[in-house]
Amino acid sequence: EPEVTQTPSHQVTQMGQEVILRCVPISNHLYFYWYRQILGQKVEFLVSFYNNEISEKSEIFDDQFSVERPDGSNFTLKIRSTKLEDSAMYFCASFGQLNTGELFFGEGSRLTVL
Amino acid sequence: AQTVTQSQPEMSVQEAETVTLSCTYDTSESDYYLFWYKQPPSRQMILVIRQEAYKQQNATENRFSVNFQKAAKSFSLKISDSQLGDAAMYFCAKNRDDKIIFGKGTRLHILP
Repeated sequence: EPEVTQTPSHQVTQMGQEVILRCVPISNHLYFYWYRQILGQKVEFLVSFYNNEISEKSEIFDDQFSVERPDGSNFTLKIRSTKLEDSAMYFCASFGQLNTGELFFGEGSRLTVL
Repeated sequence: AQTVTQSQPEMSVQEAETVTLSCTYDTSESDYYLFWYKQPPSRQMILVIRQEAYKQQNATENRFSVNFQKAAKSFSLKISDSQLGDAAMYFCAKNRDDKIIFGKGTRLHILP
């Protein structure tokens, strides 16, 4: 069964360092997302990406964050200068068609900022 | 802003018993999707069940069923014959534009 894959599963970084989280969405999907979940809290929308551009972003997704799909398969989330409060689980997800409703999630990347 | 509200942070149920998780939402749309996602300790989000708002019939997936009350904007999840593997966080969710928004979750404990 096709699945969304994410790497790394866990990354520890020092505050101020750049981090890149990688995702390979399901191959025929067109809509891509990053969500964040701070430990024990709700899953929060960060950004959606369609047709090689951001379609929507939340207020969390400030100038420190960026996304790109450099090679047509990988979908990356970059945090330029990490802060302690960026420590969270980051989930990549994809839709095939919006009207089917189902969002397919990866297993998540845990980011720990020290 | 549209919201999804889960008023039960935690619930417990005896193995083999039935439990109902509550969810309400706010929307001005007439057609939309509602979801229940399960997040076990492995952390991956897994779709449990989906309901299309224009369908009056409540969705059912094996031991999981929903009680969808469109006028009341209520969407509860019933788990029958609870099993130890059902222990997880359960998130109620709704589509909005081209994304999904989540409630805060209900942690379900299964008591042996």
